Amino acid sequence: DIQMTQSPSSLSASVGDRVTISCRASQTMAGYVNWYQQKSGNAPTLLISGAFTLQSGVPSRFSGSGSGTDFTLTISDLQPEDFATYYCQQGHSTPITFGQGTRLQIK
Amino acid sequence: QVQLQESGPGLVRPSETLSLTCTVSSGSIYSYYWSWIRQAPGQGLEWIGHIYYSGSTEYNPSLKSRITISIDTSKSQFSLQLRSVAAADTAIYFCARQQYAYSDHFFGMDVWGQGTTVTVSS
Repeated sequence: DIQMTQSPSSLSASVGDRVTISCRASQTMAGYVNWYQQKSGNAPTLLISGAFTLQSGVPSRFSGSGSGTDFTLTISDLQPEDFATYYCQQGHSTPITFGQGTRLQIK
Repeated sequence: QVQLQESGPGLVRPSETLSLTCTVSSGSIYSYYWSWIRQAPGQGLEWIGHIYYSGSTEYNPSLKSRITISIDTSKSQFSLQLRSVAAADTAIYFCARQQYAYSDHFFGMDVWGQGTTVTVSS
């Protein structure tokens, strides 16, 4: 199984900040890394697919990058609605696996 | 806009079988993979498995001996059965549409149901 290790596990930031969340895969993989946002009690929402493809309707302040084993989600100009938990997920091979999540809190 | 809705009992007794159904509406069940994911209280996301509209399945090895995922295209539904449940199976269960890339690679899960809470308790 491919393990996805996210860092940090929690993060405090202010409105207007730029934040990055990292995800490291346990083996080299093609860019089948996807990023989700989850607000408490709700289903996750797909933000980025294939490492860098922004989903329709997702604000352009979200961006994804990376290759090999290291992938990053960047949120620029944080907005109040961005405070949530974020998960990376690999679709390179089954079983599909998720990172453990990064909780983004207001400072 | 395709929508997914999970249905099934919210309480299952230990050692019994958890059965959930996901109904696909306002869209086609064909030409997609359909996944089940769960989230234990306060925990992260765990992929349970998925099924293609043709009926082919892949399961998480950690659960493979206890699960069956099936599909009924005539009803636009797919289902999960988890046998011999225990307290550790208490979770929110989500169904989702899985985008396929190629050669057994997958893009993200772009449509999710709202989730259904299942508690295992006597």
